[in-house]
Amino acid sequence: NAGVTQTPKFRILKIGQSMTLQCAQDMNHNYMYWYRQDPGMGLKLIYYSVGAGITDKGEVPNGYNVSRSTTEDFPLRLELAAPSQTSVYFCASSYNRDRVVDTQYFGPGTRLTVL
Amino acid sequence: GQQVMQIPQYQHVQEGEDFTTYCNSSTTLSNIQWYKQRPGGHPVFLIQLVKSGEVKKQKRLTFQFGEAKKNSSLHITATQTTDVGTYFCAGPSNQAGTALIFGKGTTLSVSS
Repeated sequence: NAGVTQTPKFRILKIGQSMTLQCAQDMNHNYMYWYRQDPGMGLKLIYYSVGAGITDKGEVPNGYNVSRSTTEDFPLRLELAAPSQTSVYFCASSYNRDRVVDTQYFGPGTRLTVL
Repeated sequence: GQQVMQIPQYQHVQEGEDFTTYCNSSTTLSNIQWYKQRPGGHPVFLIQLVKSGEVKKQKRLTFQFGEAKKNSSLHITATQTTDVGTYFCAGPSNQAGTALIFGKGTTLSVSS
């Protein structure tokens, strides 16, 4: 199993550009998450999904969009990139039964810089 | 809103010294998880505590969950250079289903 994979690993965007961060997992996990990590600020939840076709906002959703058309994939879309979106983005997945919080498995991250 | 706080933010120790990080939640938690992130890496799950007063050990690491299920600690005995990284505690979010809310982490550096 590859676990959770993310592409690209690094990206530099200009202000106003758009891009999609890709995330895929091969563990048949039902839940998937997107976090951003800023220096010294821990991890903040952007969006999450409890299954294909179902997504919901986290703590910091503004400026982002997600979709979950399959169990495996959970792309994060940035529209009109701004310098405030410079961060490291982590995708994670977990298998949760009966809404019990379980271990989250993280991808290697995407380091995004907006100039 | 719900908060998970960790102290200290940074800790430097000499190899062989002990290290402790503390985690406090503004709300009662059904469980608490600990993750480790090596420099340049991604968070990796260490352990989950569920019961009030629970203590679990992993070799030199000891994890505790408070009686009120609002605080937790991670203690490392005789640190090694391989312990370097940031340690995060995380608890279930009250707002986001089964998502986690993370503390800001404690970054441990170890000199030999």
